Parts: sequence; C-alpha cells; structure tokens
Amino acid sequence: QKEVEQNSGPLSVPEGAIASLNCTYSDRGSQSFFWYRQYSGKSPELIMFIYSNGDKEDGRFTAQLNKASQYVSLLIRDSQPSDSATYLCAVNDAGGTSYGKLTFGQGTILTVHP
Amino acid sequence: GAGVSQSPSNKVTEKGKDVELRCDPISGHTALYWYRQSLGQGLEFLIYFQGNSAPDKSGLPSDRFSAERTGGSVSTLTIQRTQQEDSAVYLCASSRQSVRAFFGQGTRLTVV
Repeated sequence: QKEVEQNSGPLSVPEGAIASLNCTYSDRGSQSFFWYRQYSGKSPELIMFIYSNGDKEDGRFTAQLNKASQYVSLLIRDSQPSDSATYLCAVNDAGGTSYGKLTFGQGTILTVHP
Repeated sequence: GAGVSQSPSNKVTEKGKDVELRCDPISGHTALYWYRQSLGQGLEFLIYFQGNSAPDKSGLPSDRFSAERTGGSVSTLTIQRTQQEDSAVYLCASSRQSVRAFFGQGTRLTVV
C-alpha cells in the first residue's frame, strides 16, 4: 500500500515569513511529486511539480526532494494571507501506466496571519 | 469549455437510490480521472481512463461504483444503492499526456 503522509497542522506563520510544508512517501520508486493548493470549498489547484532529478523554484515557491529520506518539501517565501489554504502533497504511481493516478496525503492546513 | 465541468454541483439523495455524476473534461485531454474527497480527508483515487485503453478501476471501493467514458470525452460515475458512507465530494480531473491534471469543481454528494 503506497502511502503519503503529511502533518495535518494547522501550520500558522506570520505574514512575510517562510512557510515550510513537508510530506513523506513510502514508495521508493516514485518518480513525480506534486503540490496542490486547495482553498476551502474549492477544488485542488496544481502549484508545483518536480521529478526525481531535481528541485524547482517558481516565484515564491520552492519544491525540494530528498530521495534518500523519501520526503518532499514546499517552501513558501514572503507568505501572504492569500496563501492560507490546505496544501496537498501527491506522488505519482511509479511503475504504472497511469500518469495521472496520484496518491495524495491528507493535506496540511496553512494559516498566514497579518 | 475552458475547464473541467462537473454536474450537478450538489446532489442530495436518499439511501438506497442510484446516482449519476457527470464530468466533461477539457477539450483535447485524453486522460480522465475520478477522485473522492471525504470531509477533512485527502483525495482517494477511484478510476482512470486513458484514450481507448481499458480503464484502471483499481480504486473503486465496491461493485456499487462504476464509470464509463463515451467517445473518449464525457464520463459518468454511477453509484448504485447509495450508502451514507458514500457522502463526499467527487472530483473529476483531466490531462493531456503529461502528468498535469486539472480538476473540476466537484460534485458534493450527500446521502440521507
């Protein structure tokens, strides 16, 4: 059973600080890693994805992979109140033919307070 | 349309009734997925369609659940003899060959 684990939080950070979100995955062969943002009552929105060959930075967001320890992190710099949401970590079903078959963590609730 | 469209947005049904949920993917997307999200939970994979290949049904929780995709476009998820534990938000997503899946707004199913 492939698993993705996240701390449910809530994680509370002040505006302007760095928010650090983490998740661990059980399948060592996983190749693709995703971070989705989900506002309350809305559908998930993909904000970052990385492959097993490296980290990625996009604006205020950085996704990092530690393959040896099997965890993925998302850093949000200069956090804004609008970043307050649930962040879902997902891992691609490595070795399968279903590129979109993702295993999701439970999500971490992030609150950025002014 | 511009995004993945799901209908209805909300559905309240009595226990034991059958329901059909519809998903209209983004035009040109060959892959379509159904996920379920229960209150306060992560997303649970249900089923995946890719082109003309046989669907991956490995996530369907019981034989009361089925899905079809007609003409490689619109998909219908059917739940027969609904139970209270089926209450959840049912999310549909679609993608091209890449892994970037776009989600619809979901159907909130409430079984009373």
